[in-house]
Amino acid sequence: NAGVTQTPKFRILKIGQSMTLQCTQDMNHNYMYWYRQDPGMGLKLIYYSVGAGITDKGEVPNGYNVSRSTTEDFPLRLELAAPSQTSVYFCASSYPGTSGSIGSFFGPGTRLTVL
Amino acid sequence: RKEVEQDPGPFNVPEGATVAFNCTYSNSASQSFFWYRQDCRKEPKLLMSVYSSGNEDGRFTAQLNRASQYISLLIRDSKLSDSATYLCAVIQNTGGFKTIFGAGTRLFVKA
Repeated sequence: NAGVTQTPKFRILKIGQSMTLQCTQDMNHNYMYWYRQDPGMGLKLIYYSVGAGITDKGEVPNGYNVSRSTTEDFPLRLELAAPSQTSVYFCASSYPGTSGSIGSFFGPGTRLTVL
Repeated sequence: RKEVEQDPGPFNVPEGATVAFNCTYSNSASQSFFWYRQDCRKEPKLLMSVYSSGNEDGRFTAQLNRASQYISLLIRDSKLSDSATYLCAVIQNTGGFKTIFGAGTRLFVKA
């Protein structure tokens, strides 16, 4: 299993540009999450999905959009990039299980700089 | 008030020391609890789940206090390789399972 994969690893955007961060998992997890982590800070939840076709906002959804057309893929779209979106973006997946969640598995992250 | 709070540290301890971290959560309906470890410029990795009765994994012991709404992580016989940031995480059932992380506690273990 590759686990959770993210592309690209690094990206520099100009203000106002758009891009899509890709996230794929091959563990058949139904829960997927997008977090951002600013330097020296914790993880902030942007969006999450409990299954294909279902998404919901997290703590900091403004400026982002997501879709979940398949169990495996959960892309994050940035429209009109702003310097405040400079961050490291982590995708994660998990499976609740019948006896409680097993915890989340993270991708390696995408380091995004908006100039 | 943040949903999940941790002392950011840093905790500077010598090798062999015992160190403990606490994490408080505000939502009393939180259902599952975890500790993660994050190395510099890397993704978080699950360290251990936290069960109501407390649980141990080698040198690591996790405990949950639902009445006071906090979880703890105890590391015994600290190793240099334990130096990292430790994140607590709480799962809230808000119609779907949403995982919220604390900001993390930095640990430096020195020789």
